Amino acid sequence: AQKITQTQPGMFVQEKEAVTLDCTYDTSDPSYGLFWYKQPSSGEMIFLIYQGSYDQQNATEGRYSLNFQKARKSANLVISASQLGDSAMYFCAMREGQHTGYSTLTFGKGTMLLVSP
Amino acid sequence: EAGVAQSPRYKIIEKRQSVAFWCNPISGHATLYWYQQILGQGPKLLIQFQNNGVVDDSQLPKDRFSAERLKGVDSTLKIQPAKLEDSAVYLCASNPRGGTSSVDEQYFGPGTRLTVT
Repeated sequence: AQKITQTQPGMFVQEKEAVTLDCTYDTSDPSYGLFWYKQPSSGEMIFLIYQGSYDQQNATEGRYSLNFQKARKSANLVISASQLGDSAMYFCAMREGQHTGYSTLTFGKGTMLLVSP
Repeated sequence: EAGVAQSPRYKIIEKRQSVAFWCNPISGHATLYWYQQILGQGPKLLIQFQNNGVVDDSQLPKDRFSAERLKGVDSTLKIQPAKLEDSAVYLCASNPRGGTSSVDEQYFGPGTRLTVT
């Protein structure tokens, strides 16, 4: 089974609107972390936001927020007030194995977001 | 603080040739990762080092791929002989510890784009 599933290959949004990028995950590890990374066309991976499995509150970082629904195993990224510079690939990733002293990060296939003027 | 450095940025080789990639992580970061990102997919972990030692190389095709991290700092990833399906972006990442606590996100380099013809 896929550990991280991103069902939207591509999303379109108009500038200044909000957009939600979906991510579901599968793990039996009680302690895990969920990350979102942005990858512009230049190729570098840019960390956006993190949610720990025991965090009570949904994470927020500026225009980014994470809608964490633990029972549904979903960790959707919400970008408010989209900007043209938000056009990029977005990857959801899960960190497991924290109890072992080192951890691994598993990425989804990504969602391409295009922001139009 | 300088970021993760990688070289070369681009490489084109013929199948059955060999190639090596170099990575210099952020100073003081104990953990170093090599990922393979095939076009249209998320990064896949190839190997993870904690200081000098390998902690996870379960997805490294050991018949043709090898990696080392000398003195717990720089790392090289080698492919010998290359196959067409090795065409991908090879990303190096580092983080201060093992990604076992709180955010402790991975910092990525710009990647090396390999084309095997």
